Amino acid sequence: GNSVTQMEGPVTLSEEAFLTINCTYTATGYPSLFWYVQYPGEGLQLLLKATKADDKGSNKGFEATYRKETTSFHLEKGSVQVSDSAVYFCALFYNQGGKLIFGQGTELSVKP
Amino acid sequence: DVKVTQSSRYLVKRTGEKVFLECVQDMDHENMFWYRQDPGLGLRLIYFSYDVKMKEKGDIPEGYSVSREKKERFSLILESASTNQTSMYLCASTIGARGDTEAFFGQGTRLTVV
Repeated sequence: GNSVTQMEGPVTLSEEAFLTINCTYTATGYPSLFWYVQYPGEGLQLLLKATKADDKGSNKGFEATYRKETTSFHLEKGSVQVSDSAVYFCALFYNQGGKLIFGQGTELSVKP
Repeated sequence: DVKVTQSSRYLVKRTGEKVFLECVQDMDHENMFWYRQDPGLGLRLIYFSYDVKMKEKGDIPEGYSVSREKKERFSLILESASTNQTSMYLCASTIGARGDTEAFFGQGTRLTVV
């Protein structure tokens, strides 16, 4: 079936470090891919998305590229800030069936 | 402001009770979803609905049922609550059949079954 797998956390970085959070997926067809973020004490919100192969989603300095050949959608940021500390979820929407499914989440902690 | 509202932030229920979790959205969205969020397991899909009176099982539907009598409201029902259903429950909605649209989430209901 369809699934999303993320790298395990927690990830702890110093401010201004480079961030990569790995995400791979299993799906037939061409799902849309998303990254959602959950800041402490808040609900989930969309960070970025990509709807077809080779699309790059970007927002707030974060980027992710839809790689069909490696079934991946890794999240990157060149220089993290303390305010980026949150839990990040990779997700896919599979049109055939209408399911929106999520990975297990990766907690990021950025230290000053 | 778009809004998904869950009826309770915190709930404590006894084993065997019937529990209703309510979710209301004001965006006229067709699709609504119920998830549970557990540490290390992320969000797991329980049920979803793409139209009034329509429902589809997600990945972990056992022990749950749902009701969607009106477009804006999607209820999750625990027929006989058990301690392994202690969790954070999240409701979400999206527009139509388009796969590229943003999901809007409620603040969550933290349910404790004792």
